[in-house]
Amino acid sequence: QSALTQPASVSGSPGQSITISCTGTSSDVGGYNYVSWYQQHPGKAPKLIIYGVGNRPSGVSNRFSGSKSGNTASLAISGLQAEDEADYYCSSYTGRSTAFGGGTKLTVL
Amino acid sequence: QVQLVQSGSELKKPGASVKVSCKASGYTFTDYAINWVRQAPGQGLEWMGWINPKTGNPSYAQGFTGRFVFSLDTSVSTAYLQINSLKAEDTAVYYCARDFLTASFDSWGQGTLVTVSS
Repeated sequence: QSALTQPASVSGSPGQSITISCTGTSSDVGGYNYVSWYQQHPGKAPKLIIYGVGNRPSGVSNRFSGSKSGNTASLAISGLQAEDEADYYCSSYTGRSTAFGGGTKLTVL
Repeated sequence: QVQLVQSGSELKKPGASVKVSCKASGYTFTDYAINWVRQAPGQGLEWMGWINPKTGNPSYAQGFTGRFVFSLDTSVSTAYLQINSLKAEDTAVYYCARDFLTASFDSWGQGTLVTVSS
């Protein structure tokens, strides 16, 4: 059982927007502004797309955005594209360790 | 550019040991921690722990104490993961990742598949 809870799957049509939630506790997501999001395509290594709750690394599309409210972080993807179809993982610092969410499979219909 | 290159796939028998390497380039190796992440077949990411490249001090996540050993050779900018007394359930892809900002992993190795089978 993962420390952070994500929906198993979400879907959307090209051009639409979707949101993926990541729910933790006050000991992880709610306690620190060190939430990250990763995109993983099949057979590939994860790629950092959001760090520090809402910051994008250089080169990551501005269609990806992150936010946090209380113990829940969210990843929003706007203008869905076929190449966005992938698994998405959130992670959070917990004070002594890093916790990952169970992952969300995004299907672009 | 920052790059982490891992050693190739391994096929081991139960009870054996395996050592996975992760060679860093494109940055000062001792400036950033190296973390290890496991991904079992069809499963999610699981944080295993990290190693401080300045001190060599490792820290292991719950469930990864005892048989798992993190080490470094700073002279060749390489981190290592050794798994002893391998079990079938250790079959997974193991990733190394650079921690650039408190639990934010901006560069990942390509992954090393370790298969444990008799």
